[in-house]
Amino acid sequence: AQSVSQHNHHVILSEAASLELGCNYSYGGTVNLFWYVQYPGQHLQLLLKYFSGDPLVKGIKGFEAEFIKSKFSFNLRKPSVQWSDTAEYFCAVNAYSSASKIIFGSGTRLSIRP
Amino acid sequence: GAGVSQSPSNKVTEKGKDVELRCDPISGHTALYWYRQSLGQGLEFLIYFQGNSAPDKSGLPSDRFSAERTGGSVSTLTIQRTQQEDSAVYLCASTYGGNTEAFFGQGTRLTVV
Repeated sequence: AQSVSQHNHHVILSEAASLELGCNYSYGGTVNLFWYVQYPGQHLQLLLKYFSGDPLVKGIKGFEAEFIKSKFSFNLRKPSVQWSDTAEYFCAVNAYSSASKIIFGSGTRLSIRP
Repeated sequence: GAGVSQSPSNKVTEKGKDVELRCDPISGHTALYWYRQSLGQGLEFLIYFQGNSAPDKSGLPSDRFSAERTGGSVSTLTIQRTQQEDSAVYLCASTYGGNTEAFFGQGTRLTVV
Protein backbone atom coordinates (compact mmCIF):
# COMPACT_ATOMS: atom_id res chain seq x y z
CA ALA A 1 0.00 0.00 0.00
CA GLN A 2 1.19 3.48 -0.75
CA SER A 3 2.06 6.06 1.92
CA VAL A 4 3.27 9.66 1.98
CA SER A 5 5.69 11.44 4.30
CA GLN A 6 5.96 15.18 4.67
CA HIS A 7 9.06 16.05 6.63
CA ASN A 8 8.20 19.53 7.80
CA HIS A 9 5.23 20.04 10.08
CA HIS A 10 5.53 23.80 10.39
CA VAL A 11 7.67 26.12 8.29
CA ILE A 12 8.06 29.82 9.03
CA LEU A 13 9.53 32.11 6.40
CA SER A 14 9.81 35.79 5.69
CA GLU A 15 8.31 37.27 2.55
CA ALA A 16 10.51 36.87 -0.55
CA ALA A 17 12.29 33.84 0.92
CA SER A 18 12.51 30.70 -1.17
CA LEU A 19 10.42 27.70 -0.24
CA GLU A 20 10.95 23.99 -0.53
CA LEU A 21 8.60 21.51 1.15
CA GLY A 22 9.61 17.89 1.20
CA CYS A 23 7.42 14.98 0.18
CA ASN A 24 8.41 11.33 -0.10
CA TYR A 25 6.15 8.47 -0.99
CA SER A 26 6.43 4.76 -0.68
CA TYR A 27 5.16 2.66 -3.57
CA GLY A 28 7.06 0.55 -6.03
CA GLY A 29 4.95 1.09 -9.11
CA THR A 30 3.85 3.97 -11.29
CA VAL A 31 2.22 6.81 -9.36
CA ASN A 32 0.23 9.98 -9.74
CA LEU A 33 1.37 12.79 -7.45
CA PHE A 34 -0.41 15.88 -6.17
CA TRP A 35 0.08 18.95 -4.03
CA TYR A 36 -3.00 20.48 -2.49
CA VAL A 37 -3.29 23.74 -0.54
CA GLN A 38 -5.75 24.75 2.14
CA TYR A 39 -5.90 28.48 2.82
CA PRO A 40 -7.35 29.52 6.18
CA GLY A 41 -11.10 28.93 6.21
CA GLN A 42 -11.16 27.54 2.69
CA HIS A 43 -11.52 24.10 1.19
CA LEU A 44 -8.66 22.06 -0.20
CA GLN A 45 -7.69 22.93 -3.74
CA LEU A 46 -5.23 21.51 -6.20
CA LEU A 47 -1.90 23.32 -6.60
CA LEU A 48 -0.36 21.01 -9.16
CA LYS A 49 -0.26 17.40 -10.28
CA TYR A 50 2.04 14.95 -11.98
CA PHE A 51 0.72 12.05 -14.02
CA SER A 52 3.43 11.50 -16.62
CA GLY A 53 5.86 13.36 -18.90
CA ASP A 54 8.10 16.22 -17.77
CA PRO A 55 9.00 15.58 -14.13
CA LEU A 56 9.12 19.32 -13.46
CA VAL A 57 5.54 20.41 -13.00
CA LYS A 58 4.35 23.98 -12.79
CA GLY A 59 1.21 24.88 -10.90
CA ILE A 60 -0.79 27.89 -9.88
CA LYS A 61 0.58 30.95 -8.06
CA GLY A 62 4.19 30.34 -9.09
CA PHE A 63 4.54 26.94 -7.43
CA GLU A 64 6.39 24.05 -9.02
CA ALA A 65 7.33 20.53 -8.03
CA GLU A 66 9.87 18.04 -9.28
CA PHE A 67 9.27 14.32 -9.43
CA ILE A 68 12.49 12.41 -8.78
CA LYS A 69 11.64 8.76 -9.28
CA SER A 70 14.92 7.43 -7.90
CA LYS A 71 14.34 9.27 -4.64
CA PHE A 72 10.58 8.65 -4.46
CA SER A 73 10.23 12.39 -3.94
CA PHE A 74 7.94 15.16 -5.14
CA ASN A 75 9.14 18.33 -3.42
CA LEU A 76 7.23 21.57 -3.74
CA ARG A 77 9.12 24.79 -4.47
CA LYS A 78 8.52 28.49 -4.89
CA PRO A 79 11.34 30.96 -5.50
CA SER A 80 9.82 33.87 -3.58
CA VAL A 81 6.94 33.45 -1.15
CA GLN A 82 4.28 36.01 -0.33
CA TRP A 83 2.26 36.59 2.82
CA SER A 84 -0.77 35.22 0.94
CA ASP A 85 0.95 31.82 0.67
CA THR A 86 0.24 31.25 4.36
CA ALA A 87 -1.68 27.98 4.31
CA GLU A 88 -1.44 24.26 4.90
CA TYR A 89 0.09 22.18 2.12
CA PHE A 90 -0.62 18.53 1.52
CA CYS A 91 1.23 16.08 -0.68
CA ALA A 92 -0.76 13.13 -2.03
CA VAL A 93 -0.20 10.02 -4.10
CA ASN A 94 -2.17 7.30 -5.75
CA ALA A 95 -1.04 4.27 -7.64
CA TYR A 96 -1.54 4.60 -11.37
CA SER A 97 -4.56 2.44 -12.00
CA SER A 98 -8.24 2.78 -12.58
CA ALA A 99 -9.22 2.02 -9.00
CA SER A 100 -6.63 3.39 -6.64
CA LYS A 101 -7.39 5.63 -3.70
CA ILE A 102 -5.54 8.91 -3.08
CA ILE A 103 -3.49 8.95 0.11
CA PHE A 104 -2.42 12.21 1.74
CA GLY A 105 0.52 13.18 3.87
CA SER A 106 0.14 14.78 7.27
CA GLY A 107 0.51 18.28 5.86
CA THR A 108 2.92 21.18 6.32
CA ARG A 109 1.74 24.42 7.84
CA LEU A 110 3.43 27.38 6.17
CA SER A 111 3.49 30.71 7.98
CA ILE A 112 4.83 33.76 6.17
CA ARG A 113 5.99 36.78 8.16
CA PRO A 114 5.09 40.05 6.40
CA GLY B 1 -23.56 20.37 -9.50
CA ALA B 2 -20.78 22.92 -9.81
CA GLY B 3 -18.79 21.55 -6.91
CA VAL B 4 -18.80 18.99 -4.13
CA SER B 5 -21.48 19.87 -1.61
CA GLN B 6 -21.49 18.69 2.00
CA SER B 7 -24.15 19.08 4.65
CA PRO B 8 -24.44 20.10 7.34
CA SER B 9 -21.48 22.46 7.48
CA ASN B 10 -21.43 22.22 11.26
CA LYS B 11 -22.86 19.61 13.58
CA VAL B 12 -22.80 19.54 17.36
CA THR B 13 -23.98 16.32 18.92
CA GLU B 14 -24.03 14.72 22.30
CA LYS B 15 -21.79 11.80 23.08
CA GLY B 16 -23.55 8.54 22.30
CA LYS B 17 -25.84 9.92 19.59
CA ASP B 18 -25.71 8.85 15.95
CA VAL B 19 -24.93 11.36 13.19
CA GLU B 20 -25.27 11.33 9.42
CA LEU B 21 -23.11 13.44 7.17
CA ARG B 22 -24.06 13.95 3.54
CA CYS B 23 -21.98 14.45 0.42
CA ASP B 24 -23.17 15.43 -3.06
CA PRO B 25 -20.31 14.85 -5.51
CA ILE B 26 -19.75 16.65 -8.77
CA SER B 27 -22.19 15.36 -11.36
CA GLY B 28 -20.62 12.61 -13.48
CA HIS B 29 -17.79 11.87 -11.09
CA THR B 30 -17.42 8.15 -10.61
CA ALA B 31 -15.28 8.04 -7.49
CA LEU B 32 -16.04 9.43 -4.04
CA TYR B 33 -13.86 9.68 -0.95
CA TRP B 34 -14.38 10.44 2.71
CA TYR B 35 -11.48 11.79 4.75
CA ARG B 36 -11.19 13.00 8.32
CA GLN B 37 -9.11 16.04 9.22
CA SER B 38 -8.18 16.47 12.86
CA LEU B 39 -6.02 19.23 14.27
CA GLY B 40 -2.42 18.42 13.44
CA GLN B 41 -3.31 15.02 11.99
CA GLY B 42 -3.49 15.69 8.29
CA LEU B 43 -6.05 13.98 6.11
CA GLU B 44 -6.97 10.52 7.29
CA PHE B 45 -8.46 8.31 4.59
CA LEU B 46 -11.75 6.70 5.64
CA ILE B 47 -13.52 5.10 2.67
CA TYR B 48 -13.43 5.14 -1.13
CA PHE B 49 -16.19 4.35 -3.62
CA GLN B 50 -15.20 3.73 -7.24
CA GLY B 51 -17.99 3.11 -9.71
CA ASN B 52 -19.79 -0.15 -9.07
CA SER B 53 -16.84 -1.79 -7.31
CA ALA B 54 -17.01 -2.80 -3.67
CA PRO B 55 -15.96 0.20 -1.55
CA ASP B 56 -12.51 0.32 0.02
CA LYS B 57 -13.36 0.57 3.71
CA SER B 58 -9.83 0.04 4.96
CA GLY B 59 -9.62 3.45 6.63
CA LEU B 60 -12.74 3.29 8.77
CA PRO B 61 -11.47 3.55 12.36
CA SER B 62 -14.11 1.36 13.99
CA ASP B 63 -17.35 -0.48 13.29
CA ARG B 64 -19.23 2.59 14.52
CA PHE B 65 -18.39 4.18 11.16
CA SER B 66 -20.19 3.22 7.96
CA ALA B 67 -20.90 4.83 4.62
CA GLU B 68 -23.04 4.19 1.63
CA ARG B 69 -23.36 5.66 -1.80
CA THR B 70 -26.79 5.44 -3.37
CA GLY B 71 -27.26 5.35 -7.12
CA GLY B 72 -23.59 6.07 -7.70
CA SER B 73 -24.06 9.65 -6.56
CA VAL B 74 -24.91 10.95 -3.07
CA SER B 75 -23.06 9.45 -0.14
CA THR B 76 -23.85 9.35 3.56
CA LEU B 77 -21.29 8.79 6.29
CA THR B 78 -22.86 7.51 9.48
CA ILE B 79 -21.19 7.53 12.87
CA GLN B 80 -23.00 5.58 15.55
CA ARG B 81 -22.67 6.16 19.28
CA THR B 82 -20.40 9.16 18.75
CA GLN B 83 -17.40 9.66 21.01
CA GLN B 84 -15.46 12.84 21.75
CA GLU B 85 -12.52 11.57 19.72
CA ASP B 86 -14.79 11.61 16.65
CA SER B 87 -14.72 15.42 16.74
CA ALA B 88 -13.06 16.52 13.50
CA VAL B 89 -13.75 17.95 10.07
CA TYR B 90 -15.09 15.31 7.71
CA LEU B 91 -14.19 15.97 4.10
CA CYS B 92 -15.72 14.50 1.00
CA ALA B 93 -14.04 14.50 -2.40
CA SER B 94 -14.94 13.22 -5.83
CA THR B 95 -12.96 12.39 -8.95
CA TYR B 96 -13.73 11.57 -12.55
CA GLY B 97 -12.04 8.22 -12.87
CA GLY B 98 -9.02 6.76 -11.17
CA ASN B 99 -6.23 8.90 -12.62
CA THR B 100 -7.55 12.38 -12.05
CA GLU B 101 -7.36 14.86 -9.21
CA ALA B 102 -9.86 14.99 -6.38
CA PHE B 103 -12.21 17.93 -5.85
CA PHE B 104 -13.10 18.64 -2.25
CA GLY B 105 -16.15 19.93 -0.47
CA GLN B 106 -16.02 22.46 2.34
CA GLY B 107 -16.36 19.75 4.94
CA THR B 108 -18.59 19.09 7.94
CA ARG B 109 -17.19 20.17 11.28
CA LEU B 110 -18.39 17.63 13.84
CA THR B 111 -18.20 18.44 17.52
CA VAL B 112 -19.12 15.78 20.04
CA VAL B 113 -19.88 17.20 23.49
